[in-house]
Amino acid sequence: QQQVKQSPQSLIVQKGGIPIINCAYENTAFDYFPWYQQFPGKGPALLIAIRPDVSEKKEGRFTISFNKSAKQFSLHIMDSQPGDSATYFCAASGIQGAQKLVFGQGTRLTINP
Amino acid sequence: DAGVTQSPTHLIKTRGQHVTLRCSPISGHKSVSWYQQVLGQGPQFIFQYYEKEERGRGNFPDRFSARQFPNYSSELNVNALLLGDSALYLCASSLIPATGGYGYTFGSGTRLTVV
Repeated sequence: QQQVKQSPQSLIVQKGGIPIINCAYENTAFDYFPWYQQFPGKGPALLIAIRPDVSEKKEGRFTISFNKSAKQFSLHIMDSQPGDSATYFCAASGIQGAQKLVFGQGTRLTINP
Repeated sequence: DAGVTQSPTHLIKTRGQHVTLRCSPISGHKSVSWYQQVLGQGPQFIFQYYEKEERGRGNFPDRFSARQFPNYSSELNVNALLLGDSALYLCASSLIPATGGYGYTFGSGTRLTVV
């Protein structure tokens, strides 16, 4: 129930394409769903986050779509650039004492020029 | 402004040894969390500390321990190292534990290799 399942494991997209990364969760107590971007040798950096009371959130070229009934959420990257090549993690947390984040397995995204 | 600072950046230890990893949070942040990231996987929660008290513990053995100091910096200690402890250890700081939509700020981590 504490798992967050992420797919695909890896993704290759041409520049300008729209990569889509999907995540699914089981625990209905989760109420905060962030996406993190991680470059080699660096820690994860918060990209965008959403609460379950909205179905979509956009920040720049990044969009989260959220389907509460299906317990799924996804990240879309518009007009992708080679600089977006990184590993992306979805995560979830809930009000259960410590605000721990439960992370997905990660998606290694490559944007080809 | 300095971000989350972790030291050392890399270290190599032998099985059975003990290791101490250090973390300095962003100035003004009072909560520190530790995560373990095994190669090819997402980070896993180890501990959270706030105001020098443990606020949460993940599913890790008692060989793992941590503490937070009055200046809010933190140490993660791992005893009797196993090969499986090889990982990137991440520290994340936040103003308070319940940070709502703002999340954590992660450091760049300490890469621990156990041989």
